[in-house]
Amino acid sequence: DAKTTQPPSMDCAEGRAANLPCNHSTISGNEYVYWYRQIHSQGPQYIIHGLKNNETNEMASLIITEDRKSSTLILPHATLRDTAVYYCIVSVFTSGTYKYIFGTGTRLKVLA
Amino acid sequence: DAGVIQSPRHEVTEMGQEVTLRCKPISGHNSLFWYRQTMMRGLELLIYFNNNVPIDDSGMPEDRFSAKMPNASFSTLKIQPSEPRDSAVYFCASSFFSNTGELFFGEGSRLTVL
Repeated sequence: DAKTTQPPSMDCAEGRAANLPCNHSTISGNEYVYWYRQIHSQGPQYIIHGLKNNETNEMASLIITEDRKSSTLILPHATLRDTAVYYCIVSVFTSGTYKYIFGTGTRLKVLA
Repeated sequence: DAGVIQSPRHEVTEMGQEVTLRCKPISGHNSLFWYRQTMMRGLELLIYFNNNVPIDDSGMPEDRFSAKMPNASFSTLKIQPSEPRDSAVYFCASSFFSNTGELFFGEGSRLTVL
């Protein structure tokens, strides 16, 4: 399973874009990049995922480099409610399902 | 729609006692995952099932831990005998094979072993 590397913590001003980087230099061709976040002690929540192309949904945008060795999650207008731990995961479909290994994540603090 | 349902939400027990955690996945989902979260070790994957069959239990820490999925709507994680170092939040998650493979988590079971 490919491993990911994320900065342990980041701060972002409310209303500004939060850009969370992730390194996954050993990713293989059929592995997807997923992002989840965990607010307080709740269960992690899915944000977005991608394979090669950049993706956008109502929560965030995902930018994947052309060589797929790194990606950036963008929260376009961070709010205080976006304060959470953000996990970047690479996952491959195997044995009929996806396997998800969570790393240590990035603790994002949005400042008023 | 009901999400993933875990019980109990909180459990306090004494060392040596048997602990059983329960999970009801989202109806129609065919994969189920058990995770454990502690401050020291983060979120660890313990075991996961596909179509009720255990696929990978390499994350189960010791023989004291066991998990079953007797049918598509129920799974248990059992610890026998429990130890203080088993204190953690245990999450169950389910997913359906689709284009997204998105995981849906329950609210967790917080276990304290005294």
